[in-house]
Amino acid sequence: GIQVEQSPPDLILQEGANSTLRCNFSDSVNNLQWFHQNPWGQLINLFYIPSGTKQNGRLSATTVATERYSLLYISSSQTTDSGVYFCAVERRSGGGADGLTFGKGTHLIIQP
Amino acid sequence: GAGVSQSPSNKVTEKGKDVELRCDPISGHTALYWYRQRLGQGLEFLIYFQGNSAPDKSGLPSDRFSAERTGESVSTLTIQRTQQEDSAVYLCASSLPKRTSGVLLKSSYEQYFGPGTRLTVT
Repeated sequence: GIQVEQSPPDLILQEGANSTLRCNFSDSVNNLQWFHQNPWGQLINLFYIPSGTKQNGRLSATTVATERYSLLYISSSQTTDSGVYFCAVERRSGGGADGLTFGKGTHLIIQP
Repeated sequence: GAGVSQSPSNKVTEKGKDVELRCDPISGHTALYWYRQRLGQGLEFLIYFQGNSAPDKSGLPSDRFSAERTGESVSTLTIQRTQQEDSAVYLCASSLPKRTSGVLLKSSYEQYFGPGTRLTVT
């Protein structure tokens, strides 16, 4: 199956700092999503971005499908940004739906 | 409802008992997925339903796991003879299906997740 690698696994920053989270994947994809899992376990949709660039407030994301990676940018971090950020992909090939394959996540801690 | 809902939110059961978990997808979402998240891990795909089509069961970890869906709405995930390794959070997601030139594809559009059911097997 498709492999998804996220880096860094852990990141500790001061409030106000900027950060870049990376997601590498091993095959062509139909779907790529970034999620923020809050302390209560809820997965919050950040971006649906199989290709291109999107921005939403302090967050932005870029996927370069031909090079099989995606980046999530967080600017002016706030303590509420703390949590685990997951990248998830659905591979393009195959006769059926495989569901999303998730990376292991980046655990982000924003200190006041 | 406004989002995907799941019940119960928490379930504690004794080893060997059967459990049933429920998912209500977003209205109009014909694609429905079940995932499992073990402690400190990413999510693991279990099963996929597209409308009334036969589900893709390729991700189910054992024959103790089964799932059903009534039409294009509620789904139930059943785990028989639960084992301690079944302890995890079970999440459900739904999405609209992708269409191209009017043809329904099996891949999905953006998936939206419910809050999950935390299952503890003692």
